[in-house]
Amino acid sequence: AQTVTQSQPEMSVQEAETVTLSCTYDTSESDYYLFWYKQPPSRQMILVIRQEAYKQQNATENRFSVNFQKAAKSFSLKISDSQLGDAAMYFCAYVENYGGSQGNLIFGKGTKLSVKP
Amino acid sequence: EPEVTQTPSHQVTQMGQEVILRCVPISNHLYFYWYRQILGQKVEFLVSFYNNEISEKSEIFDDQFSVERPDGSNFTLKIRSTKLEDSAMYFCASSDLGGGTEAFFGQGTRLTVV
Repeated sequence: AQTVTQSQPEMSVQEAETVTLSCTYDTSESDYYLFWYKQPPSRQMILVIRQEAYKQQNATENRFSVNFQKAAKSFSLKISDSQLGDAAMYFCAYVENYGGSQGNLIFGKGTKLSVKP
Repeated sequence: EPEVTQTPSHQVTQMGQEVILRCVPISNHLYFYWYRQILGQKVEFLVSFYNNEISEKSEIFDDQFSVERPDGSNFTLKIRSTKLEDSAMYFCASSDLGGGTEAFFGQGTRLTVV
């Protein structure tokens, strides 16, 4: 069964600095997607960034970028120029991409990010 | 911007009672999901729904649970005979396609069983 592991329960970063959140996963599949979701205190899960496994190029979204290492099954999130509004729980998630996939996400336990002013 | 809405935001119920959690997915989406997050733990998949039937369900989704799309807009999760361990945040999500497309989440319903 596929698993997603986030080894950092909590992280802290100074405003304007850069922080990297770690995620590893285990799968025997070759075609899948990886996501980082943000869950602020408002509780709603918001997609931060998405990576397709067959793409070697790392995804970027403004201040957010990933380091996708397929062979190592690693998918870290880098937040540059951290802002107070980045403070939230961050979840790494995996989903298979095959014809019958319904898109059921498998989540890690999350990393709580604090941003210090 | 379209969004997934869930009601109520917080529900308190007596153990043994039935609860219905309601969700309105984004209107043109075809895939619907329920996830659960017990306090301090990871988000867990419960069930996915497509074409008016359950497409996948997890081991958590036993006979105590059921889902329904009673009309063209609502998607409900019913929990019969609630137990203390059902206390959790329940998230509804929807996507326009399955596979690796983005799932849009609602703000969640916090269920407290007392």
